[in-house]
Amino acid sequence: QSVLTQPPSVSAAPGQKVTISCSGSSSNIGNNYVSWYQQVPGTAPKLLIYDNNKRPSGIPDRFSGSKSGTSATLGITGLQTGDEADYYCGAWDTSLSGGVFGGGTKLTVL
Amino acid sequence: DVQLVESGGGLVQPGGSLRLSCAASGFTFSHETMNWVRQAPGRGLEWVSYISNSGNSIYYADSVKGRFTISRDNAKNSLFLQMSNLRAGDTAIYYCARGSWKSGLDYWGQGTLVTVSS
Repeated sequence: QSVLTQPPSVSAAPGQKVTISCSGSSSNIGNNYVSWYQQVPGTAPKLLIYDNNKRPSGIPDRFSGSKSGTSATLGITGLQTGDEADYYCGAWDTSLSGGVFGGGTKLTVL
Repeated sequence: DVQLVESGGGLVQPGGSLRLSCAASGFTFSHETMNWVRQAPGRGLEWVSYISNSGNSIYYADSVKGRFTISRDNAKNSLFLQMSNLRAGDTAIYYCARGSWKSGLDYWGQGTLVTVSS
C-alpha cells in the first residue's frame, strides 16, 4: 500500500490527452513539492516534472504537472506510442521524514 | 555528461550483508544530495535513503532503518549503501539517484540487482 495513490492504469489513443492523478495528504503533497517520473520497463526512471510543475531541460511541453491541495496531476498531450511507460509521482513526507512514491500508473497508448 | 554507475549487487543469503557503491562523474559530487531508491521485481519504486551533500543530514525508510547505512566519500565522488541483516523482502534493483525532493531526482544510475535468497 503506497502512501501516494495513483490509478493502476490509464489508456488513450495516439494524439489524445491523458491525465494521471496522485493523491496524498497534508504531510506529503499538501505541504511539499511533487515530482513525476517516467519508467520504460527495463530501464531506469527519468525525471519528467519537479517542483510541482517545472520541466527539466529536454522534456517536451507535452508533459505538464499541477497540484491542488493534497493531490497532483500529470498531463500528457499529443500522445505518442513512445509514451507507453509506467509513471510515478513522488514527494517528501514530513511525518515519515522520508520520500514516498505512488504505486505507479501504466500508460497504454492504444 | 552526468553518470551514475552502481556496483556491488549480487546473491546473498538471508541475514547476510552487502555494500553497494555508486560512482559519480560529470558533475560536482560534493554539491549534490543523493538518494538510494529500490524496485522489487514487478513492483513500484520505493525510496530507501537520502544523504545531504556534506553527509550531515541522513534519512532512511522505516523498512530499512537500523539495518542499512548510507554514506559518501566526496573526495572519491562515491556514494555507498551498507546493507546488513538482509531479508527476502530486500530483493530489488537498487538505484542511486541525484537530487532533492524539490529539484527532483534528476539523474539515475542503471541499477544493481540484489537478490536475498538461500
